[in-house]
Amino acid sequence: GESVGLHLPTLSVQEGDNSIINCAYSNSASDYFIWYKQESGKGPQFIIDIRSNMDKRQGQRVTVLLNKTVKHLSLQIAATQPGDSAVYFCAENIWGGSEKLVFGKGTKLTVNP
Amino acid sequence: GAVVSQHPSRVICKSGTSVKIECRSLDFQATTMFWYRQFPKKSLMLMATSNEGSKATYEQGVEKDKFLINHASLTLSTLTVTSAHPEDSSFYICSADPGLAGLDGELFFGEGSRLTVL
Repeated sequence: GESVGLHLPTLSVQEGDNSIINCAYSNSASDYFIWYKQESGKGPQFIIDIRSNMDKRQGQRVTVLLNKTVKHLSLQIAATQPGDSAVYFCAENIWGGSEKLVFGKGTKLTVNP
Repeated sequence: GAVVSQHPSRVICKSGTSVKIECRSLDFQATTMFWYRQFPKKSLMLMATSNEGSKATYEQGVEKDKFLINHASLTLSTLTVTSAHPEDSSFYICSADPGLAGLDGELFFGEGSRLTVL
């Protein structure tokens, strides 16, 4: 079934620390996952993606880990900066003849200077 | 990178009026666009899939007569909130699928449109 939005969990970290944001997805048939960053009043911005045939992918300061056994994704942000403060959503791609994304509930990250 | 433009970014209207929101892909063609609704501090909820030249596919629980979607060209989809009421106040976001012009599975999002119904 689809993930329904709930009240956002929050994560507060100190500048320079590493952040880990977790996400559980719902559909075991999903084969593509994306992390988005959303700043207040704006649309989501792509951060990093991963396919189901991988368990780890690294980008610039970010790493996504995928555990298909427990349907879990995590986003790791290294050396977190104040500009990283935002809401982070994971999304799973459910193939339905087009690229249909189902978003997770999101996590609000606050980076303290 | 690819850009998707939404207009207006903010709109305030009176209850009972209709409001149209546009979603344009500026440098690519999008056969498929998606419309989402986001309540404060909540996740994005897919409302409908907009297909160029055909009827939109609505998600369960979304009133198609309330939220009219038109995808008349490969670069433009519109969402019209008809007879808007205060409970329709929300943040509406579109995304566009660049198809073969983009990476597999890639979508580009608009900046969103904040609708306030008085």
